[in-house]
Amino acid sequence: DIQMTQSSSSFSVSLGDRVTITCKASEDIYNRLAWYQQKPGNAPRLLISGATSLETGVPSRFSGSGSGKDYTLSITSLQTEDVATYYCQQYWSTPHTFGGGTKLEIK
Amino acid sequence: VQLQQSGAELVRPGASVKISCKAFGYTFTNHHINWVKQRPGQGLDWIGYINPYNDYTSYNQKFKGKATLTVDKSSSTAYMELSSLTSEDSAVYYCARSNGNYLYFDYWGQGTTLTVSS
Repeated sequence: DIQMTQSSSSFSVSLGDRVTITCKASEDIYNRLAWYQQKPGNAPRLLISGATSLETGVPSRFSGSGSGKDYTLSITSLQTEDVATYYCQQYWSTPHTFGGGTKLEIK
Repeated sequence: VQLQQSGAELVRPGASVKISCKAFGYTFTNHHINWVKQRPGQGLDWIGYINPYNDYTSYNQKFKGKATLTVDKSSSTAYMELSSLTSEDSAVYYCARSNGNYLYFDYWGQGTTLTVSS
């Protein structure tokens, strides 16, 4: 199974900050990487697929980058509504494993 | 596109439960349906998927024998049956649709809360 590691389980951030969340796969996943946002009590929401493709309706302050085993989700100028937990997921092979999640909290 | 899941369940240990996920707004047989488990305060765990076109299933090894995935094409509904329930099965279960060409999850159900308790 491919292991997905998000190095930070939580972040304390300030509104307006630039935030970078990292995700590392245990092997090359050929950009088959998605990012999801989950707010308390809600289902996850797809933000980015293919490592870099922003889904329709997702604000442009979100972006994804990376290749091979290493991937990044960036949020420029953090807004109140961005406070959530973010998960990466590989869909290169089954089981389609998720990272452990990174929770953003306001300082 | 919408995935509508069945309501919360309270079930006794040792029993089984069947959760449903009804699809609206797209051709049901064109997209896999996945199931994902989330224990309270924990992350996301992929259980498996079913291809409604041909009933092909793929399971995460850790859920083999625990979960059984089926579909009813006539009603565009996917089902997940969980058997021999224990407290470790208490969780929110989500269904999620796979994108047609790739396998990321583009639409999710609202989740079904399962509580296993005597």
